[in-house]
Amino acid sequence: DADVTQTPRNRITKTGKRIMLECSQTKGHDRMYWYRQDPGLGLRLIYYSFDVKDINKGEISDGYSVSRQAQAKFSLSLESAIPNQTALYFCATSGGRVGRDYGYTFGSGTRLTVV
Amino acid sequence: RKEVEQDPGPFNVPEGATVAFNCTYSNSASQSFFWYRQDCRKEPKLLMSVYSSGNEDGRFTAQLNRASQYISLLIRDSKLSDSATYLCVVNRPSNYQLIWGAGTKLIIKP
Repeated sequence: DADVTQTPRNRITKTGKRIMLECSQTKGHDRMYWYRQDPGLGLRLIYYSFDVKDINKGEISDGYSVSRQAQAKFSLSLESAIPNQTALYFCATSGGRVGRDYGYTFGSGTRLTVV
Repeated sequence: RKEVEQDPGPFNVPEGATVAFNCTYSNSASQSFFWYRQDCRKEPKLLMSVYSSGNEDGRFTAQLNRASQYISLLIRDSKLSDSATYLCVVNRPSNYQLIWGAGTKLIIKP
């Protein structure tokens, strides 16, 4: 099994629908992140969580919400999807220590299309 | 000025050649630097961290130039499998977040 699992892998949804993207990890990491990636842009942080009781907005949180159900689970919701939320979404985890272990482990991504 | 800037490329390089690309960053207080590799439509994967003294991992060498605020990645004896997009990542000290460059696309040709 993958260290970080995202579901679904692909999703097409209609404008105005609510959709949830799920992420689970077996790394035992406390820190989890949701990013979106658009062509020609770097990964942009939507939300991040340093532990179950700690949720923080990233640079582009408008239109999104998250839930950290357990150390291993972090879900992202689009309350009312709009076409410009069409993107590739990644969940990531990190051990949080500076240095070599500071690297992130990513899930395989969710390709979301809002029509 | 963007916090992290990369030449988007593509860099078209013949197999066996040496290729290098740079990434500039704007925050002089940044302390953590990384290169990630991303294959088309796949997740980014950590290639290497970049240390102050420079570091090497096989055919890959990373360097940090604090005075000019850039990091570099050198790939020697390039292989077809090195074709990918290389992402430069720098930490933002104020909020512990990582800032991602948009990537440099590398195409190795036979």
